[in-house]
Amino acid sequence: KAGVTQTPRYLIKTRGQQVTLSCSPISGHRSVSWYQQTPGQGLQFLFEYFSETQRNKGNFPGRFSGRQFSNSRSEMNVSTLELGDSALYLCASSLAYQRDTGELFFGEGSRLTVL
Amino acid sequence: QQPVQSPQAVILREGEDAVINCSSSKALYSVHWYRQKHGEAPVFLMILLKGGEQKGHDKISASFNEKKQQSSLYLTASQLSYSGTYFCGTEISGAGSYQLTFGKGTKLSVIP
Repeated sequence: KAGVTQTPRYLIKTRGQQVTLSCSPISGHRSVSWYQQTPGQGLQFLFEYFSETQRNKGNFPGRFSGRQFSNSRSEMNVSTLELGDSALYLCASSLAYQRDTGELFFGEGSRLTVL
Repeated sequence: QQPVQSPQAVILREGEDAVINCSSSKALYSVHWYRQKHGEAPVFLMILLKGGEQKGHDKISASFNEKKQQSSLYLTASQLSYSGTYFCGTEISGAGSYQLTFGKGTKLSVIP
């Protein structure tokens, strides 16, 4: 079956602009999580959606937002971009409704460069 | 609340063993392990649940010490294909919803 698809794969923006990233989960998966990955910081949790509801949010400023559609596809938006927002943004989908059913399937990510 | 992984990096020769540790200051419900190869997406290795058994997958196994809030990943007789960055992800007991907090990763390099 098709994996998690993220678009665009690469993008370059300038400070102050905004960006929207898209994630299509594996068919049947209703949970979508977003992570920011930067060198030396590992994977930092942004937010998680299940059935169009944000269930949890990480410690990021309000410039980072997201949403999930009825078909489970998700988008995240970053407004007023800063140089420090340059990172690989990973989306992961899961069947999980309960915590212990675990496995996350990651997409290959969207690499954002802010100039 | 980010778990601490050690070591940060390790270099092994093929056939050698390695242990990667993950510790948390919070009571944990579960620990997840992922491996990410350069330029690729992280891939799930295993999950260890509170009260559960030690898991194993081929020559990679892991344990979860609930009292110490620690998990260890054991790689035996390492192969070149084991190279990559290993991340542990932790779920905190009583957190109420699904959120994995990952460590900064351990970079493992296996050389011939």
